[in-house]
Amino acid sequence: ELKVEQNPLFLSMQEGKNYTIYCNYSTTSDRLYWYRQDPGKSLESLFVLLSNGAVKQEGRLMASLDTKARLSTLHITAAVHDLSATYFCAVDIRYGNKLVFGAGTILRVKS
Amino acid sequence: SAVISQKPSRDICQRGTSLTIQCQVDSQVTMMFWYRQQPGQSLTLIATANQGSEATYESGFVIDKFPISRPNLTFSTLTVSNMSPEDSSIYLCSVEDWPTNTEAFFGQGTRLTVV
Repeated sequence: ELKVEQNPLFLSMQEGKNYTIYCNYSTTSDRLYWYRQDPGKSLESLFVLLSNGAVKQEGRLMASLDTKARLSTLHITAAVHDLSATYFCAVDIRYGNKLVFGAGTILRVKS
Repeated sequence: SAVISQKPSRDICQRGTSLTIQCQVDSQVTMMFWYRQQPGQSLTLIATANQGSEATYESGFVIDKFPISRPNLTFSTLTVSNMSPEDSSIYLCSVEDWPTNTEAFFGQGTRLTVV
C-alpha cells in the first residue's frame, strides 16, 4: 500500500524567510502533484512533476522530484503572507490519476 | 484545463437521510474520481467512476453507502446514503485532463454537515 508522508505538518514562517516542505512516498511512481488549499476552498493545482529530476518554479515556489529517492520538495523563497495555506502533495500510482495524498502542510506566514 | 462544477456547494442534512452530489465537466473525460476530505484531514479516494461500467471503490468504501452514477462522459453523481454525523466532510470530484492525462483537476467541493 502506497504511503505518502509530508513534513512538516505545520510550518510557521516569518515573512522573507526560506523553507522547504518534504514529501516522501513508499512505492514507485514518476508522477507527483502539489496542490494548494485555502480554508473552505477546493484544491488549486500548483505543479505537476512527471519525471525524475523534474524541477518547476512559479513565483516564490519551486518543486522538484527525485524518483530514485521517492522524494519531492516544495521550496518557498522569501515567504509572503499570501502564501499562507495548506499544501498537499499527491502521488499518482495508476497513471489514471488515482491520487494518494499526503497529510498536508499548514503554512502560516507571519508579518 | 477542465472546468468542473459541483452541486450543491454545501448542505446541512439530517441523519438517516441521503444526499446526491452532482459533478459536471465542461469536456468529455474517461474517468471521474470522488474524494472525501474529513475535517482537518487530507483527501481520500472513495471511488473511480467510468462511463458504462460500475464504479470501482477503494478499501473502506462500499456501493451501498456511496452509490455512484456515470451516465455519460461529462457527468457523475455521488450519493451519501443513510447519513450519520461521521459523514460530515467535503466531497470533491476530480477528472484527468484527457487525452494527455497529465494533470488532475478538482471541483470546488461539497461541504456536507450531518446533524
